[in-house]
Amino acid sequence: QVQLQESGPGLVKPSQTLSLTCTVSGGSISSGGYYWSWIRQHPGKGLEWIGYIYYSGSTYYNPSLKSRVTISVDTSKNQFSLKLSSVTAADTAVYYCAREDCSGGSCYSDYWGQGTLVTVSS
Amino acid sequence: EIVLTQSPGTLSLSPGERATLSCRASQSVSSSYLAWYQQKPGQAPRLLIYGASSRATGIPDRFSGSGSGTDFTLTISRLEPEDFAVYYCQQYGSFPQTFGQGTKVEIK
Repeated sequence: QVQLQESGPGLVKPSQTLSLTCTVSGGSISSGGYYWSWIRQHPGKGLEWIGYIYYSGSTYYNPSLKSRVTISVDTSKNQFSLKLSSVTAADTAVYYCAREDCSGGSCYSDYWGQGTLVTVSS
Repeated sequence: EIVLTQSPGTLSLSPGERATLSCRASQSVSSSYLAWYQQKPGQAPRLLIYGASSRATGIPDRFSGSGSGTDFTLTISRLEPEDFAVYYCQQYGSFPQTFGQGTKVEIK
């Protein structure tokens, strides 16, 4: 059973960079066939896909966030990471990491981390 | 990007009743690449349905998905107490993948 766990600061100051890491257990990031994604949920709101990465390093980002987002992977640690720069209060959200099953030609999220709340405030 | 509109916003039903949730897309969803997720308070979303009608591993058969093109439906045949939650649809056939705003199924 694949498990994902987010980690990182719960409080970030405006204009700074939000950094989160997702640690994957129960399966290898390098096994192929899966992308690894970040999704966020603003308080009391719906879900927003941020982007995803393949173990090779190929990335796809939501155009609405592309200029501020970097997703990277460390296969030796079975981890992938999110950096979101120049944050504002609008970036306050619960951030989820997830595994994307792409076996059917396109990708949906079949396993999710528990989520971590990141608050942007001075 | 494709906008998904879910209706109703809230569905008030009793255990044992049938729930019908709608998800309408602003344009056709490629290859029926539509998923449904269930989310309970304080928890991550849980995959229920992918490919519009395929149940995910371990999902009870009281959950079923249908539809194609721009109109999709999630049906819960007989509500169990643990089914009261928020449900989201997601299209993943067009870039970027997008989610609906959710339907809350609450106890009447």
